[in-house]
Amino acid sequence: EEQLVESGGGLVQPGRSLRLSCAASGFTFDDYAMHWVRQAPGKGLEWVSGISWNGISIGYADSVKGRFTISRDNAKNSLYLQMNSLRAEDMALYHCAKGWGRFGESQRVFDYWGQGTLVTVSS
Amino acid sequence: EIVLRQSPGTLSLSPGERATLSCRASQSVSSSYLAWYQQKPGQAPRLLIYGASSRATGIPDRFSGSGSGTDFTLTISRLEPEDFAVYYCQQYGSSPPTFGGGTKVEIK
Repeated sequence: EEQLVESGGGLVQPGRSLRLSCAASGFTFDDYAMHWVRQAPGKGLEWVSGISWNGISIGYADSVKGRFTISRDNAKNSLYLQMNSLRAEDMALYHCAKGWGRFGESQRVFDYWGQGTLVTVSS
Repeated sequence: EIVLRQSPGTLSLSPGERATLSCRASQSVSSSYLAWYQQKPGQAPRLLIYGASSRATGIPDRFSGSGSGTDFTLTISRLEPEDFAVYYCQQYGSSPPTFGGGTKVEIK
């Protein structure tokens, strides 16, 4: 059974950094693109970043470009999100999500999601 | 980026009724690369539909998707108690992938 478990969230002051992790199991991790999708409290879903199976192709939402860095370690079946210069508007539940397809646009369909890790940005 | 607008914001229906949810894109979604997700309180989203009309694994056939271009629809033929939730559309034909604001289906 596919499982994604996020960790690393917490309370952080504006301008500080945080690193999120996602541990994957139950599928061949290095076959699939992986993503981070966030949800502010009481709000909708926002794609944050995605990375191809081999880490070569990476994308970011404009709202986080230059501040966040996505990476993966296929040997450890793990996905990461380094978040720098955090702002109040980054406060959200951050979900790790698996890309459904192995090629093309289908990599940007999210078929399995973790429960999320909460990031609170406040002084 | 492609902006998706969902309507209505809230749909109040009774179990057994038919639900029709709309998703309209600011520009054409290439090759009907449109997905639908269901989210219940305190849970992660669940993939329902991809490619505008293909059901994901394990999704009951009371859920169906249709549409192309800029107008898409999710239909739940007969609402079951477990279907009351928030539904999101998402386009994945162009980057960045974007979501609609959601439609809440609530019990009347």
